[in-house]
Amino acid sequence: AQKVTQAQTEISVVEKEDVTLDCVYETRDTTYYLFWYKQPPSGELVFLIRRNSFDEQNEISGRYSWNFQKSTSSFNFTITASQVVDSAVYFCALSEAEGTYKYIFGTGTRLKVLA
Amino acid sequence: DTAVSQTPKYLVTQMGNDKSIKCEQNLGHDTMYWYKQDSKKFLKIMFSYNNKELIINETVPNRFSPKSPDKAHLNLHINSLELGDSAVYFCASSQGGAALGSLTEAFFGQGTRLTVV
Repeated sequence: AQKVTQAQTEISVVEKEDVTLDCVYETRDTTYYLFWYKQPPSGELVFLIRRNSFDEQNEISGRYSWNFQKSTSSFNFTITASQVVDSAVYFCALSEAEGTYKYIFGTGTRLKVLA
Repeated sequence: DTAVSQTPKYLVTQMGNDKSIKCEQNLGHDTMYWYKQDSKKFLKIMFSYNNKELIINETVPNRFSPKSPDKAHLNLHINSLELGDSAVYFCASSQGGAALGSLTEAFFGQGTRLTVV
């Protein structure tokens, strides 16, 4: 069965620190997609990244980077030099072939960046 | 031009009432969803529709009835509202599927905050 675990409920860092948000997933499928979303205090869900199971390349986008490791079923998200505007709830999500037409979300990690 | 729009943004109503939330997407996607986000921020799928057909109904009470008049619209009607229905409801859309080898991210509406008093 598919499952997404975000064990970190809440993380607080001081501005300019680096922070890594963990995501561990479970799936029996070989074909699946992983996602990260940001939900700022305003409440909308902002898409950050999509990765399919056949592409294990890490990705960097500005201060954001993602580390996908199939061997450990993890898709971790790192924010470098965090800023107050990064304060939000971050969700990891999975969609798999068996569970097509469904995105399974983790429980989210609340990130607080203190000035 | 909003990709996924849902109305209303806020809905306050009394227990026992019936209410509807409307959702429209202009992305040309073939799949639409309703998600519920509770007070702890858990995001749980309620329904998914593909080409107007119901694909997933995640053990949602039958007081909740989705309707998809066409691929671009997925409305949610709730009968006999209960206090426990208070939550934020998100509509979303996507194209493709993991089983098809190509899947977009889910595009979400701004959410409807439903408060039942």
